[in-house]
This record gives sequence, structure tokens and C-alpha cells, in this order.
Amino acid sequence: EVQLVESGGGLLQPGGSLRLSCAASGFTFKIYEMFWVRQAPGKGLEWVSYISGSSSTIYYADSVKGRFTISRDNAKNSLYLQMNSLRAEDTAAYFCVRGGGAGTAYGFDIWGQGTRVTVSS
Amino acid sequence: DIQLTQSPSSLSASLGDRVTITCRASQNIATYLNWYHQQPGKAPKLLIYATSSLQSGVSSRFSGSGSGTDFTLTISSLQPEDFATYYCQQSYSTPPYTFGQGTKVEIK
Repeated sequence: EVQLVESGGGLLQPGGSLRLSCAASGFTFKIYEMFWVRQAPGKGLEWVSYISGSSSTIYYADSVKGRFTISRDNAKNSLYLQMNSLRAEDTAAYFCVRGGGAGTAYGFDIWGQGTRVTVSS
Repeated sequence: DIQLTQSPSSLSASLGDRVTITCRASQNIATYLNWYHQQPGKAPKLLIYATSSLQSGVSSRFSGSGSGTDFTLTISSLQPEDFATYYCQQSYSTPPYTFGQGTKVEIK
């Protein structure tokens, strides 16, 4: 079964750091583009970051640039998001997402269940 | 950056109704438009990619159309599991991988 399972969410204070992980299974992880997408409570979907299969290309949303770092370990079939200098507005459910292929022309086809991050003093 | 505007923001409909949701892009995105739905408390799910291609395993009551700047998602006969929030997303000019603001489909 194709599956993405996130972990690492939690409650922390503004300015803190957190590392999210995503374990992939059921597919050849290294050939897929991967993404992080977040959703603040009661709000819509916001793309956060992108990484190519080889990690050669990485993108960030302006809202997290300079604070978040995406990475992957293809040997471990894992995706990561290092989140530093966290702000209250980073409070959200964070989803690990697989790109469907063809430069995402095939959409975001597999989503994890999400892990919740709460930033509050 | 390309902006996506969905309409309506919410709608009420009955079981069996035909429902149409519109997504308008701020510039030409050809047919690089995807649709997702999200049931309460769950992760989003891909319904349609490239404007009109049905994702594997998705019911044929969902269909998509459009090109350029105007796109439509149609549900031919609303089922209980279709009461959810629907999002469009463009994959023409990335990053960013823009989503629409969402359309909530509620029970009348």
C-alpha cells in the first residue's frame, strides 16, 4: 500500500524549532518529487516547500523562506522539514505530499494524514 | 504569482443534486489545473488532474472542464461522502503551487 506517515509535531513556544519527518512506503521514493503543505486551523491549504527526487532542486514559500529547510534521505525513504524561528502563524497541520509526476501536472496524488504543530506562548 | 479564485465559497445542496464549482486563474494556465476534496478531519484527496483527467479510483460522478483561466468541477449526483471542502490548484507556473481558497459543500 502506498503510504506517507508524518511525525514530529507538537506544542512549542515562539522562536522554537521542530523537525517533522515523513516515512514513505509502497513506492519507489527516490523518483518522486515531494512536498510539504500546511493548513492552519479552519483555513485553506498552503504549499510550504518542494524537493526534487535527487534533492537538486528545492523551493520554499515566501512565508517560510530562511526559516524552514526541506530535505530527504532516499536510502531511508524519508522526507523531513526542519522548522526554525517558529511563529504563531506557523500553527497548522503539516501534510507530507507526493507529486504525481510530470512536474506536478498530475497533481499531488498521495497525502499523509498530517501532523499538527502549535506555536503558542 | 498566479492567483486562483473559487466560487462560490460555500453552497448547500441535497443528495442527488448536480453541483458545479468554478475556479478562475489570474492568468492563462492552459489546462494545468487540479481538483481536491477534503472531508472533515481528513487529508485532502486528489480528484482530477490536468483539468479533466480522473484520478485512479475516483468516482466518475466527478468531472472537470475548462482551459485558460476558467475551470469547472462538476459532481453529477451528490452523495453523502461528497459533503466536503473542494480546492483547485494550479501546476502551470511553479513555485508557488497555488491553491484556491476552497468551496465548502454542505447539506441542505
